[in-house]
Amino acid sequence: QKEVEQNSGPLSVPEGAIASLNCTYSDRGSQSFFWYRQYSGKSPELIMFIYSNGDKEDGRFTAQLNKASQYVSLLIRDSQPSDSATYLCAVNMDTGRRALTFGSGTRLQVQP
Amino acid sequence: GAGVSQSPRYKVAKRGQDVALRCDPISGHVSLFWYQQALGQGPEFLTYFQNEAQLDKSGLPSDRFFAERPEGSVSTLKIQRTQQEDSAVYLCASSFASTNDSPLHFGNGTRLTVT
Repeated sequence: QKEVEQNSGPLSVPEGAIASLNCTYSDRGSQSFFWYRQYSGKSPELIMFIYSNGDKEDGRFTAQLNKASQYVSLLIRDSQPSDSATYLCAVNMDTGRRALTFGSGTRLQVQP
Repeated sequence: GAGVSQSPRYKVAKRGQDVALRCDPISGHVSLFWYQQALGQGPEFLTYFQNEAQLDKSGLPSDRFFAERPEGSVSTLKIQRTQQEDSAVYLCASSFASTNDSPLHFGNGTRLTVT
């Protein structure tokens, strides 16, 4: 069983809509959660990080964390065609280690 | 430089050849990571350095893979006797601090193709 699960997509939303990207993880003791965006052929770039239960907002992006349900999500408001990319969920599953465990990513397509 | 620099950008190797991939982290960053990313997959952890110390090499898939960071700055990932399954993008990332909340900054990667 993969430790960080994401729907591979593609998730298709119209321009201006809210895109909702979801991620579940297997280790209940996980503490740090990150969302990376990866354009085709490019390296991952950090969008958001969240450590506490609840919501964290940064511009058009909101990260939501529910540790009891082992669930983290990313909402993108007012989606733009430039948001079309693969979104990678990453979890630090062992506080004794620095390694991040990544999901396989969800491909988002924003239709103009 | 302003970001993490990796070279070469592309590498084609014949099966059985040795390759060396270089990473220049952001200046002053303590932590350095190597990840392997297969097509359509997320990055998979290979190894982690804090300064010159290799603190975690649990992700290295075999003893053909070796990484070093002798002066706590530039790092080299070496793959001996390459196999076709080694074909992937190798990503280097660095972070300023050694704590788990210190975000990773990735380089553009080296795409290795083993023929």
